[in-house]
Amino acid sequence: AQRVTQPEKLLSVFKGAPVELKCNYSYSGSPELFWYVQYSRQRLQLLLRHISRESIKGFTADLNKGETSFHLKKPFAQEEDSAMYYCALRPYNFNKFYFGSGTKLNVKP
Amino acid sequence: NAGVTQTPKFQVLKTGQSMTLQCAQDMNHEYMSWYRQDPGMGLRLIHYSVGAGITDQGEVPNGYNVSRSTTEDFPLRLLSAAPSQTSVYFCASSRTSGDTQYFGPGTRLTVL
Repeated sequence: AQRVTQPEKLLSVFKGAPVELKCNYSYSGSPELFWYVQYSRQRLQLLLRHISRESIKGFTADLNKGETSFHLKKPFAQEEDSAMYYCALRPYNFNKFYFGSGTKLNVKP
Repeated sequence: NAGVTQTPKFQVLKTGQSMTLQCAQDMNHEYMSWYRQDPGMGLRLIHYSVGAGITDQGEVPNGYNVSRSTTEDFPLRLLSAAPSQTSVYFCASSRTSGDTQYFGPGTRLTVL
């Protein structure tokens, strides 16, 4: 069965420090992986997806099929990055999404 | 262009009552979905639709019904509310299931 695991409920870092939000998944086929973000009092929105290989707001994520991971990274965290981050998986060519339990990132000044 | 709208924003029900959560989008998206968000469990897919007249079950469909008579609307019905259905409900839409999902603001439901 498909499963997305985000092992950290809360991650606190200081401004300017590197940040890595972990995401591991279990799926035997080809997955599409996404990171969604929810800022305070805002709607959940897409941050990035692995197939686009973009860097959004300084964040990057690489799909590692060997380790079944899709960790989100940013070299220098900013206070405005404080938010709830969700990793999500969609089995390729299927219509269902599976979300992780989320990691709350707190960037301290 | 309002995007994805949900009504109501808040609702309190008594056990056994029924109600419908409304979801509408004005982006002509084919794919629409309902999620519930519970502490420590993230978002879980309840039902989804790939177009008008087509719906299917997600991960946690029990206790919920959906229909999709138009492209724009995708209501979620609770037939007999239970305290276990206390949650925040999100509706989302996208052009197709593989495209970026746009989320509504959510409905906070409490069942007493």
